[in-house]
Amino acid sequence: KNEVEQSPQNLTAQEGEFITINCSYSVGISALHWLQQHPGGGIVSLFMLSSGKKKHGRLIATINIQEKHSSLHITASHPRDSAVYICAVIRVRDDKIIFGKGTRLHILP
Amino acid sequence: DSGVTQTPKHLITATGQRVTLRCSPRSGDLSVYWYQQSLDQGLQFLIQYYNGEERAKGNILERFSAQQFPDLHSELNLSSLELGDSALYFCASSVASGGFGNTIYFGEGSWLTVV
Repeated sequence: KNEVEQSPQNLTAQEGEFITINCSYSVGISALHWLQQHPGGGIVSLFMLSSGKKKHGRLIATINIQEKHSSLHITASHPRDSAVYICAVIRVRDDKIIFGKGTRLHILP
Repeated sequence: DSGVTQTPKHLITATGQRVTLRCSPRSGDLSVYWYQQSLDQGLQFLIQYYNGEERAKGNILERFSAQQFPDLHSELNLSSLELGDSALYFCASSVASGGFGNTIYFGEGSWLTVV
């Protein structure tokens, strides 16, 4: 079993829809990152969370440490949000970074 | 622009060869991380350096090695290349060595194709 699981693996939605991507992990962590990878391959760090909730524009990330779960929400989705979203955790016992397999999001105009 | 610079952007080489990928971290960042992303494996952490010292090791093959120089740039050396080493290699940097409160900035990646 992977230490970091994301769902769904693929998601297609209409422009304007509210999007939720989930990340569950099974190890103790010191932080969790949400990353965005565009078709060209480049990776952008969206959020780094250790507790609570963060918001940036139309993006919201939450984390529940007790439940070992994080969600990334996109409000009023737009075709330019189409990308792969990757959850990554920093494992507390050795500081190693463990990645989820990613969620491929496609927003239709 | 994340401030992390990777060269070369694309590289094609033959099996059995050796290549060096270079990374310049953001100004002021002491940690450098290397990752491999292949189609079937997803993103994999390879190794981390902090201020010139190896800090954490992931799934890095013995044929691969890395180092961080006094000016904080880093190189990833890949030798005896195999077809399966074809992947996108990312470098990232951060200010601190640990995960807490530590934003990681990614470079654009180096595409390696082994033929």
